[in-house]
Amino acid sequence: GAVVSQHPSWVICKSGTSVKIECRSLDFQATTMFWYRQFPKQSLMLMATSNEGSKATYEQGVEKDKFLINHASLTLSTLTVTSAHPEDSSFYICSAMSRVDSYEQYFGPGTRLTVT
Amino acid sequence: AQKVTQAQTEISVVEKEDVTLDCVYETRDTTYYLFWYKQPPSGELVFLIRRNSFDEQNEISGRYSWNFQKSTSSFNFTITASQVVDSAVYFCALSDPNTDKLIFGTGTRLQVFP
Repeated sequence: GAVVSQHPSWVICKSGTSVKIECRSLDFQATTMFWYRQFPKQSLMLMATSNEGSKATYEQGVEKDKFLINHASLTLSTLTVTSAHPEDSSFYICSAMSRVDSYEQYFGPGTRLTVT
Repeated sequence: AQKVTQAQTEISVVEKEDVTLDCVYETRDTTYYLFWYKQPPSGELVFLIRRNSFDEQNEISGRYSWNFQKSTSSFNFTITASQVVDSAVYFCALSDPNTDKLIFGTGTRLQVFP
């Protein structure tokens, strides 16, 4: 099956710093990647949709200047949390999909971000 | 608007009991997909099933079975003879056919005790 990786799997950073999370599709070309955020004991909430080579589309209420998403290649998307604050601490999950092939979404293992 | 409701927040059972997790969805689309995912304590989502809106056949995979009923907009998931390893949070999700976005339910936490 298709494999999606995320790096790092967990990160601790100080308030005010920026953190970059990578999402890679290892064995297929992902035309579209989705970024989700999950707070403890809550559901997954879609943050944004990114299509390769174009700007990300953000969900209502998600600050695009704070959560920078780049999808520069068919196998890599990055989410940068800028000027992180403790309330940004969450579990960030990406999924990748090929609109050429199966339209199936494959999820990464997630990145746990803790902002101190 | 699309919506997925998982009314059961938490279920506790003893090993070997059967358990059914409910999922009710709302959509105006005629074509859509329904999904179930398992999220163990590690956090990684495990894909369980995808069902096309035109396929109402029930599915069985080992101890897992799914009952899809369009008439009641439900897609329930049953685990037969539950095991401790089944303890996890289970999410039901609905796809938006225009955007491929997934709309997740709030999840049901299943605890299986030995």
